[in-house]
Formats: sequence, structure tokens, C-alpha cells
Amino acid sequence: GESVGLHLPTLSVQEGDNSIINCAYSNSASDYFIWYKQESGKGPQFIIDIRSNMDKRQGQRVTVLLNKTVKHLSLQIAATQPGDSAVYFCAEIYPNDKIIFGKGTRLHILP
Amino acid sequence: DTGVSQDPRHKITKRGQNVTFRCDPISEHNRLYWYRQTLGQGPEFLTYFQNEAQLEKSRLLSDRFSAERPKGSFSTLEIQRTEQGDSAMYLCASSLSAGSGNTIYFGEGSWLTVV
Repeated sequence: GESVGLHLPTLSVQEGDNSIINCAYSNSASDYFIWYKQESGKGPQFIIDIRSNMDKRQGQRVTVLLNKTVKHLSLQIAATQPGDSAVYFCAEIYPNDKIIFGKGTRLHILP
Repeated sequence: DTGVSQDPRHKITKRGQNVTFRCDPISEHNRLYWYRQTLGQGPEFLTYFQNEAQLEKSRLLSDRFSAERPKGSFSTLEIQRTEQGDSAMYLCASSLSAGSGNTIYFGEGSWLTVV
């Protein structure tokens, strides 16, 4: 079906540590993926994207890994900060450009 | 501000009333999407447009819901005879024309509360 799932609904991480958020996607024909960050009461904010011809992409403090063999995505956040507290969604873009989201992982930063 | 703009940001309405939300996409973005999000869930696809053409409607979009993009720029989402189950945040997003890798940007959403 049309679903993108996340393995952990809540992730608690010590401030300064690295965070890893995982995601499984369903459509092997999808060739573009986006990670979004959503803070309370706001719309999803683009973080980083990756196309299916890549297996890794790095941004500022964030890295996305793509494993097409097992249809798995991960978002790594280095040196997690309090401002990283949010819900993170992976989104799978179908060949017809429809965006399918998972339920999200809430990242909680411990002081 | 050149991002996706949504109006109103919050709407409280009585059950049975009609409501309309407006979305202004990023300039020159041909693709426009509508999503619905309830608390604790990811955004659910409702419909999307390529310019003024509506490409697909989700089966979530009952006959009470209608979306338009008459001139290929702004879009409206109307909900007729609102029900309490319609309470949610309605999100709009836009991107450049079809094609993998065109970043999709979201607005801040329009919150609907049906009482």
C-alpha cells in the first residue's frame, strides 16, 4: 500500500550526541526522498533530500543514507542541539510526484 | 516572504458550515499539493495540481471537499457541511514542474476546528 513507516515513534538523545532516525519506504519505483522537520504548530520544513542514484548525501550536521536493497532511509544528525527537538518525517516521492509521508519520529533532546 | 502562504492560519467553525482555505504557492511553482494532518500523524495526501489541472484526488477527499486552482497560481480548498472529523491541519505545498529532485516546500498550514 501507500505507506512510509518509521521504526521508532520517539527517540531521546543526549544533547551533543548524534541522532539516527530510521525510515522504511514501500514503493521500489520511488526515486526521490525527502526528510522534513516539523515543530509544534508549524508546517514541515525541508531538511535534506536524496535521489535514488545516490546512497549518501550530506548537509550541514545532517546526513541521509539510502539503502535501496532493503528500502530503508536514515537521517543522521550530528551533535544534536536543543533546537533539533521536533518530529521528523521521511517522505517518499512516487514516480507520479505524489508525496507519501510516514507517521514521524519525535526527537527529544535530553539536557 | 517568498514561501508558501496559507490563509487563514486558524479557523473555528460550527458543524455544518462551509469553510474555504487559500494557498499561495512559491512564485513559478507549477505543482501545488494539499495535505491533511491530524495530531500525531504524518500528512495525508488529498490532491495535487499541475498548473490549473487537478491530477489526482485521494479517496480521502469526499464529495464535501473540493479544490481548485483556476489560474494555475493560488489554490482554494473548500469543505462543505463540515463535520467534527474534519478538524485537522490542512497543509499546502508547492514545487517546480514534475521531475524527480524538485524540492517540495510546505506552508505553515491552516488549522481547522469544527465544534
